[in-house]
Amino acid sequence: QKEVEQDPGPLSVPEGAIVSLNCTYSNSAFQYFMWYRQYSRKGPELLMYTYSSGNKEDGRFTAQVDKSSKYISLFIRDSQPSDSATYLCAMSPSYSGGGADGLTFGKGTHLIIQP
Amino acid sequence: GAGVSQSPRYKVAKRGQDVALRCDPISGHVSLFWYQQALGQGPEFLTYFQNEAQLDKSGLPSDRFFAERPEGSVSTLKIQRTQQEDSAVYLCASSLLKEGAGYFGEGSWLTVV
Repeated sequence: QKEVEQDPGPLSVPEGAIVSLNCTYSNSAFQYFMWYRQYSRKGPELLMYTYSSGNKEDGRFTAQVDKSSKYISLFIRDSQPSDSATYLCAMSPSYSGGGADGLTFGKGTHLIIQP
Repeated sequence: GAGVSQSPRYKVAKRGQDVALRCDPISGHVSLFWYQQALGQGPEFLTYFQNEAQLDKSGLPSDRFFAERPEGSVSTLKIQRTQQEDSAVYLCASSLLKEGAGYFGEGSWLTVV
């Protein structure tokens, strides 16, 4: 079993729908949780990061972390065709700059927003 | 430049050939990471630098992989005697000290034939 599990999809939804993307993990030491968006043939782009449990909102994006269930979610409201991409969850035991902890990524979920 | 720059963007190497991949991080970013991303997979950690010091190389898959950052800025990932299983995208990320979330470059796409 991998440390981070993420359904690869594809997940196809109509424009304007609310999208829910999820990851589960097994390492209870993870403290920092990130969501990246990756377009085809591009590098990952940071969307959201949260520390420990709780919610964080930024525009149309909401990130949720439930450490008791080892489950994280990203919600996208009013989805647009330009949101079509692969969404990667990533996590770390600590702030990487303070130590040597690289991020552990999920496989990514391929999201398609139908116009 | 404004972002992380990687070169070459695409590289085709014959099996057994040595390759060198370059990463030019965001100016002032102390931390630099290399990741390997196979097709359909998430990135996997290779190595980490803080300035010129390589603090973690636990993710390097074999001794054919070597990374350096001699002046604490530009970094090079070298792969000796390339094998087909080395075919992947090699991503570089940089960040300010104490920030966990890095800014990624567009990657170097390596195909070994």
